[in-house]
Formats: sequence, C-alpha cells, structure tokens
Amino acid sequence: QVQLQESGPGLVTPSQTLSLTCTVSGGSISRGSYYWSWIRQPAGKGLEWIGRIYTSGSTIYNPSLKSRVSISIDTSKTQFSLKLSSVTAADTAVYYCARMAPSTGAFDVWGQGTMVTVSS
Amino acid sequence: QSALTQPASVSGSPGQSITISCTGTSSDVGGFNYVSWYQQHPGKAPKLMIYDVSERPSGVSDRFSGSKSGNTASLTISGLQAEDEADYYCSSYTSSSTWVFGGGTKLTVL
Repeated sequence: QVQLQESGPGLVTPSQTLSLTCTVSGGSISRGSYYWSWIRQPAGKGLEWIGRIYTSGSTIYNPSLKSRVSISIDTSKTQFSLKLSSVTAADTAVYYCARMAPSTGAFDVWGQGTMVTVSS
Repeated sequence: QSALTQPASVSGSPGQSITISCTGTSSDVGGFNYVSWYQQHPGKAPKLMIYDVSERPSGVSDRFSGSKSGNTASLTISGLQAEDEADYYCSSYTSSSTWVFGGGTKLTVL
C-alpha cells in the first residue's frame, strides 16, 4: 500500500527557509486523482493545513501562510516538497505530508511526521 | 480561515457512548459534505476515522459514526474502549477551496 515519508533538516535558523520532502512509495504519485498535502502541528496544539498540490502541479495554500509557502512536485522521483520562507519560532512544529482523494475530501494516508525546530 | 470549534475535552466510562461536536460556518461544515474525523494517539500520526460526514474507511470499527446538522458535525463513539483514548480532530473543505481543522478534543476513558 502507499506509504509517505517526510525528510529534511530538523533545525532551521530564524529568517531562513524551511525545506522538506515527502517521498511516496508503494504507488505512483502521478497515477490516480490525488491531492498531496502538507499539514503541521506545534507541540501540544492542533493540526494546521498548509497547502496541497495536484499531480498537474496546481497548488492551493492556507491564506495565513500563502505569502511564505511553496509546494512543488517531482513525479519522476515520486516526491513532493514544501518550502516555507522567513521562518520564526512560531513555525516550530511536527510537519506531516498526507494524501487526499478529492472524491472524499479526506486525508487517508499520512507520513509519520518530522519535527522541525526554528532556533538560532 | 478560522479553525473549527471543538470541545477541549470529553470523557466517558468503558461501554458508554460519547459525542464530539465540530462547529463551523456555512462556508465550511454547513456548505459541504467533505467533513472528516481523525484519531491521534500521542506521538503518532493522525488516522482517518470518518470521511464524507458519515462514511467509515475499511478497517475502522463500526463503533465510530458521524453525522451533521447545519453548521455542526458530530463524531459518536459507542461502546467506549480504553484504546479509544486519544485526541480527535475534525476537518472540512471550505468555500475558498482550502481545508480547515478543528482545534482538537482530548477523549479520556475513565
């Protein structure tokens, strides 16, 4: 079955850009109509949807993060990536990648999550 | 976009039923049937429990059920078991073509 795995630096310096990659295994990232999303969760807090990308490359972002976020997809590598610029301590969180089937509007497959700390 | 409103905590004894509410607006919960619920145990990734308001993915116990009335969706867990103790989050599609989560509810099994 499809599995997702996040990877990237666990520590990012304030004002720099956070970059994470999600690798999709057990299935094709470009086959089927799926949205590929990023979601984050600060310690002890709730989930926040960051944005999503379709296999065509079309994106939609959370309005509160839109000016700082970019999500891209590399179907040849079965990966999609997140870039969040000008980070502050408030961006410290566990970052999850997840798959959504548009027909259900639900995140049915999740990565295990990766902790990113913003600190100097 | 504002987070959907959930109670911070609910509790129940084994065998009982509990209901968690998720209140939004006509621009999200009330306007679409794309409401889903997730269970999250400490240190783990969320797990999809309900989608499309009331549909259960394969493998999810039928003790979990969902419903919606107006701008409020609900998750009901019947026959409460110790392993149901977790955080629960609702999510909804919005009129801006984005998704929004609820603040989360901590379920304690007494």
